Amino acid sequence: AQSVTQLGSHVSVSEGALVLLRCNYSSSVPPYLFWYVQYPNQGLQLLLKYTSAATLVKGINGFEAEFKKSETSFHLTKPSAHMSDAAEYFCAVSDRLGGSEKLVFGKGTKLTVNP
Amino acid sequence: DAMVIQNPRYQVTQFGKPVTLSCSQTLNHNVMYWYQQKSSQAPKLLFHYYDKDFNNEADTPDNFQSRRPNTSFCFLDIRSPGLGDAAMYLCATSRDMGKQFFGPGTRLTVL
Repeated sequence: AQSVTQLGSHVSVSEGALVLLRCNYSSSVPPYLFWYVQYPNQGLQLLLKYTSAATLVKGINGFEAEFKKSETSFHLTKPSAHMSDAAEYFCAVSDRLGGSEKLVFGKGTKLTVNP
Repeated sequence: DAMVIQNPRYQVTQFGKPVTLSCSQTLNHNVMYWYQQKSSQAPKLLFHYYDKDFNNEADTPDNFQSRRPNTSFCFLDIRSPGLGDAAMYLCATSRDMGKQFFGPGTRLTVL
């Protein structure tokens, strides 16, 4: 079965600093991988999605992620953190359900941005 | 704007009292999902509808049921809520294998 592991349940950075959120996956087939963001008391918003077209995926709000098969990783980065980036971030892998898609989420990483 | 709407945003129920959560969508997507997200945990898929076909996850308790009367609406019924069912319930939609769009969630409190 597909799974993802997010290293670090809490990450704290200063405003303007690099953001690095780690995700490793386990998959028996080439995976589809996702990063979602969740602001307090809100639903999930897709940041970016890897579908094997390109290893470096650019998403919304200045985030990007690089798929590294040799490391089974899909880490999320942003060069310069903004206060508005404070949220919880979930890495997910897709498990196919016939014609639809089941998302298996990691446990999440809560990002704090300090002024 | 096309979107996924969940009502109510906050629901309080009593232990053992049936409760229904609602999800509607204007995206005309054929797949609708229900996730349960407990505090500080990852969302967990309960079940999904692919068109009219209902697909239950193996570990979803029998206490949880769902209805999809038409393409736009999907309901989550909790027959006898327990304290352990307090959570955020997220509805999502997609077109086949496409991107999932999430609603804002309903936070359920069980007293």
